[in-house]
Amino acid sequence: EIVLTQSPGTLSLSPGERATLSCRASQSISSSYLAWFQQKPDQSPRLLIYGASSRATGIPDRFSGSASGTDFTLTISRLEPEDFAVYYCQQYGSSPGTFGGGTKVEI
Amino acid sequence: PLVESGGGLVQPGGSLRLSCVGSGFTFSSYWMIWVRQAPGKGLEWVANIKEDGSEKYYVDSVKGRFTIFRDNSKNSLYLQMNSLRAEDTAVYFCARGIWGLPLTSTWGQGTLVIVSS
Repeated sequence: EIVLTQSPGTLSLSPGERATLSCRASQSISSSYLAWFQQKPDQSPRLLIYGASSRATGIPDRFSGSASGTDFTLTISRLEPEDFAVYYCQQYGSSPGTFGGGTKVEI
Repeated sequence: PLVESGGGLVQPGGSLRLSCVGSGFTFSSYWMIWVRQAPGKGLEWVANIKEDGSEKYYVDSVKGRFTIFRDNSKNSLYLQMNSLRAEDTAVYFCARGIWGLPLTSTWGQGTLVIVSS
C-alpha cells in the first residue's frame, strides 16, 4: 500500500495569499497518478487536479499541481473566500488507492 | 449522477448492503469505487471494482468482511458489509472512475452507516 503523507495539517492564511500544500508518497506512483480533491463541510469531495498537474474541468487556473519524484504540491496562487476547505491528495495508480490525511486551509 | 442508499444503524457484528445507482452515463464503462469518511475524519478508500467486475480490490481493514460487486444491467454498484465494527461507522460514498482508471472523478452524496449497540 502506498502511504501518502500531507503537510501541514492546517494552513492559516488570508484571502489573496498563496497556499502551498504538500503530499509525499512512500514509494513511486506509476505514471504520476496523483490527484487532489477539495472538500467543504457536508459536501462530497471535488476533483481539482489529476495526473499530478492537470486541472479538472471547470477548475480555476489559480489551482495548480506539480511533482518532483515522490513529492507532490498543490498551489493556490491567490486564495479566494470559497477556497477555505480541506484538501486531500489521492493516488490511483495502484489498487486499492489511498488518500493522504488532508490539509485544512483556514482563515 | 450517483445516488447511494442502504445506510442506517446496525449492531456490531451485523450486516448491511449499500447500493449506488448511476445515471446519465454508460455505467458498464467505468471503474467504480467506494470511499468512506468517519465522523470528523479524513477520506479512506474502501474498495474498487473494474468495469466488468473481473478485478476487485479492498483496503486491508475490510478484507474478508466487505464485498464489492456490481450489476451493470441495473446500473448499480453494491457493498455488502458483514461483521460490522464500531470503526466502520462512516459516511460511505460511491464514486465513478474515468479514462479506464479508478480516479474518483464523480461522487455521490454519501450514505451514513452507524455501527452501535
